[in-house]
Amino acid sequence: QVQLQESGPGLVKPSETLSLTCAVSGYSISSGYYWGWIRQPPGKGLEWIGSIYHSGSTYYNPSLKSRVTISVDTSKNQFSLKLSSVTAADTAVYYCARQVGVGATPFDYWGQGTLVTVSS
Amino acid sequence: SYELTQPLSVSVALGQTARITCGGNNIGSKNVHWYQQKPGQAPVLVIYRDSNRPSGIPERFSGSNSGNTATLTISRAQAGDEADYYCQVWDSSEVFGGGTKLTVL
Repeated sequence: QVQLQESGPGLVKPSETLSLTCAVSGYSISSGYYWGWIRQPPGKGLEWIGSIYHSGSTYYNPSLKSRVTISVDTSKNQFSLKLSSVTAADTAVYYCARQVGVGATPFDYWGQGTLVTVSS
Repeated sequence: SYELTQPLSVSVALGQTARITCGGNNIGSKNVHWYQQKPGQAPVLVIYRDSNRPSGIPERFSGSNSGNTATLTISRAQAGDEADYYCQVWDSSEVFGGGTKLTVL
């Protein structure tokens, strides 16, 4: 059974960088698939942030691209998100998820999500 | 950027059929995926590529997609189906609809 678990600070100061990691178990990232990050502000809908392939190729939401970096560590079977210059608008539950492929493919396994609050 | 439009809320009587729509320009030419999200939980994929059910999803859940509207249909609605539902497509980027709250009366 594929499982994903997000981890990272729950509180980040404005203008700083948000950093989260997603640990994957039950499946080797090196075996394939894409791995993505999605966020959900409190009481609002889902927003895709970006996704990465095990080889390291990435694709990002154009609206966030200038501030986002997603990386993968196959030796630890995990991938990470960095979002720079955060503001209160970046306060959200952040989910990591497995994606079957690029474009026209769903997110079939999700982590439980982690709330990140941007506040001084 | 591509936009997906969902009704904010849909109500259905217990045991009846609920239909949740997802509107977008020529969405019928795209693959649509649907997620169910219950309060405090992560989304769960219930339909992928318009009309396919993942393993473990009841046959009561079905989907269709044509023209400018994709539809998630929930037959014989149960209290446990109360949740938010989101559609998703790819259009040079992953796009989610705004979500629909389903209430089972």
